[in-house]
Amino acid sequence: KNEVEQSPQNLTAQEGEFITINCSYSVGISALHWLQQHPGGGIVSLFMLSSGKKKHGRLIATINIQEKHSSLHITASHPRDSAVYICAVRTGNQFYFGTGTSLTVIP
Amino acid sequence: NAGVMQNPRHLVRRRGQEARLRCSPMKGHSHVYWYRQLPEEGLKFMVYLQKENIIDESGMPKERFSAEFPKEGPSILRIQQVVRGDSAAYFCASSPPGGATKNIQYFGAGTRLSVL
Repeated sequence: KNEVEQSPQNLTAQEGEFITINCSYSVGISALHWLQQHPGGGIVSLFMLSSGKKKHGRLIATINIQEKHSSLHITASHPRDSAVYICAVRTGNQFYFGTGTSLTVIP
Repeated sequence: NAGVMQNPRHLVRRRGQEARLRCSPMKGHSHVYWYRQLPEEGLKFMVYLQKENIIDESGMPKERFSAEFPKEGPSILRIQQVVRGDSAAYFCASSPPGGATKNIQYFGAGTRLSVL
């Protein structure tokens, strides 16, 4: 069993739809990160959370420490949001990664 | 302020050769992390370094792999006697003092290693 589980694995949405990607983890963490990996392979950090909620533009990330669950929301999705979204948790000095959610937004 | 710089972007080696991957963190960043992404797999943590210190190398294979982050110069991930299974994308990330508990990480573009 992976320390970090993401769902769904694949997601296709129409432009403008509200999107939710979920992440559950089984270890005690000091921080949770959401990453975006573009088709070219580059990785961008979106958020680092240890509690509550953060918002950046059309992206919102929430975390529930008691339930060991985080969600990444994208409002008014756009084709340029198409990418793989990866949840990563830090425990001690290590990071554990989910396998990613592949999002395709269709115009 | 340049981002995290990794070079080379692509590296081709024959079995048995050595591979050296370099990572220059963002200016002012003292924490460096190396990750490996095997084909069709997710990212895996390899090693966490601060200047002149290896903090956690529990994700590194026990043999052939080593990493350093000297006082001056880039962090180096070194793979000796490469095998085909080492073919992967290797990503470096850096964060400011305080590390990735307090700060987001900034990723380099990665080095894609191909072993023939």
